[in-house]
Formats: sequence, structure tokens, C-alpha cells
Amino acid sequence: EPEVTQTPSHQVTQMGQEVILRCVPISNHLYFYWYRQILGQKVEFLVSFYNNEISEKSEIFDDQFSVERPDGSNFTLKIRSTKLEDSAMYFCASMSRGLDGYTFGSGTRLTVV
Amino acid sequence: DQQVKQNSPSLSVQEGRISILNCDYTNSMFDYFLWYKKYPAEGPTFLISISSIKDKNEDGRFTVFLNKSAKHLSLHIVPSQPGDSAVYFCAANIIQGAQKLVFGQGTRLTINP
Repeated sequence: EPEVTQTPSHQVTQMGQEVILRCVPISNHLYFYWYRQILGQKVEFLVSFYNNEISEKSEIFDDQFSVERPDGSNFTLKIRSTKLEDSAMYFCASMSRGLDGYTFGSGTRLTVV
Repeated sequence: DQQVKQNSPSLSVQEGRISILNCDYTNSMFDYFLWYKKYPAEGPTFLISISSIKDKNEDGRFTVFLNKSAKHLSLHIVPSQPGDSAVYFCAANIIQGAQKLVFGQGTRLTINP
């Protein structure tokens, strides 16, 4: 069964450093997303990406965040200057058309120290 | 922002019995609802969905009921099996939007042998 792949599974970084979280969505999917889950809290939408541009972003997704689909297969989330409160599980998701096909990756656990 | 609420953080059910997980929402614009199952260190996995034009959808042991007037949905699992032990998330969507999902807080279901 096709899956969304995220790397790394766990990333530890120092406060103020830049991190790039990587995702390989399902190959024929057209819509791409990032979500995050702070420990003990809800899964929260960050950003959606379609046709090589951001289609919607949440208020969490401020200027410190950016997304890119550099080569037609990878989808990345960059955090320019990490803060302690960025520590969370980050989930990538992709979808072709119907919402039932909305598929999540296993997540990257980001720990900012 | 509590647009989707799962008021029970945990639920314990005996194997073979029925598990009922509940979800309430406040946004009347939501028109598609999904249930996800999540194991530790994995991403949410799609389980079952329902459109706002229906009041019931069934898939094997899983049935989702939607009561639009009460803005309430529930997931029934019968019979419950030990492998059903996981965190269950209710999510909602506005079809005409960017397909972002709004999640509830999750309910941890434990099936006891």
C-alpha cells in the first residue's frame, strides 16, 4: 500500500537553529499538508500546498516557517530559527482527490533544546 | 479554538463488547467527518468517514453515526478486539475549503481481554 514517508523520525536541535523536515508524499497525490501535535494536545493544521503554492496556512505558520516542493517528489517544512515551543510531532499528509485518501506519514519528532 | 471536541480522554471496554466514541462539533459549515486511529510513533490512519448528507456509514465492525441537529457524531466498534486499543481522533472538514482537517483531542481506547 502506498505510504507517505517522513525523515528523520526524530530530530534534536538547539534553539535558534534551522531545521528541515522532509516528506515524500504518495506519488500521484496533488495536495500536500503539514500538521503538528504538541505533546498531549490536538493535531493542528499548519499549511496546505497545491499546484506549487500555499493554498492555506494557519496562524501558527508564521514567517519562521516555509514549505517547498523542490523536485516533484519531496515536500519539506523548514523552521528558520527554532524555539522551545516548536517541539512537537510534525506530520506530513498528502491527498489525491477524496478526503478518504488523506494519508499521513509516521511523523518527525522535533525536540528543541 | 474548540470546533471539534472529544470530551472523553479515555475509554476502557471489555473485549467483545461495543466501544462507543463520541465527538461534538460547533461549526455548522463542516460537511465531512472522518475518524482516525493512531498508534504510538505512527501517524493517524484513516478508519471511516461520513458526509453530512448521511446519518450513518458502516464498514465491517465500524459504524459512524451523525446527528446534524445535535452536531454530534459517534463511532461504534463491535465487537471490540484487543488490536483496537489506540487513540481515536475525530476530524472535520469544510469540503469547499483547502481540505484542511480540524481534529478533536482524541480518545484513548483500551480493550481489556
